[in-house]
Amino acid sequence: NAGVTQTPKFQVLKTGQSMTLQCAQDMNHNSMYWYRQDPGMGLRLIYYSASEGTTDKGEVPNGYNVSRLNKREFSLRLESAAPSQTSVYFCACGGVNTEAFFGQGTRLTVV
Amino acid sequence: GENVGLHLPTLSVQEGDNSIINCAYSNSASDYFIWYKQESGKGPQFIIDIRSNMDKRQGQRVTVLLNKTVKHLSLQIAATQPGDSAVYFCAEDGYSTLTFGKGTMLLVSP
Repeated sequence: NAGVTQTPKFQVLKTGQSMTLQCAQDMNHNSMYWYRQDPGMGLRLIYYSASEGTTDKGEVPNGYNVSRLNKREFSLRLESAAPSQTSVYFCACGGVNTEAFFGQGTRLTVV
Repeated sequence: GENVGLHLPTLSVQEGDNSIINCAYSNSASDYFIWYKQESGKGPQFIIDIRSNMDKRQGQRVTVLLNKTVKHLSLQIAATQPGDSAVYFCAEDGYSTLTFGKGTMLLVSP
């Protein structure tokens, strides 16, 4: 039982490059989330998926797209990376009147 | 929009002291709150939660208090240990998402 698994753990991109952050959960939760965390800041919601086949924007969706591939997997795509997207990205599942479980994070640097 | 915030960005305590971390929320309709602990380089980990029909809940060495009148949450850690050093976040359940405050860093000196 791995919980929430994110890949990769670290990534360096050049401005304009694209990449997809992967997230998988084995906890059978309907809801999944992508957050970003900047130094000295709390977690800000990028996108979430309340169930398979649905996605919704969070607080800071600009520059990102998501795909809820199936109940287990929720990916985050940066089509054209910008230095402002340098951050630590966390995927989570659960929530909705119960605790959310987080992955270990992906540390992304855009140069 | 409505959000969750914290009063103290950094709290320094001595080992063995009790710690109190505070959080203010603004959405009076929220009915579920969670405290998370985040150690350096790791994802947030659940500590304790409380629903709006309660005003106090106790765990192992931790207690969460909820004052709905003034929309205030607190996390009390008894006999604080060096391993408690971390950033603590309160989160507010908005029915489909969790909204986090900016966090309080707890520093425990031996």
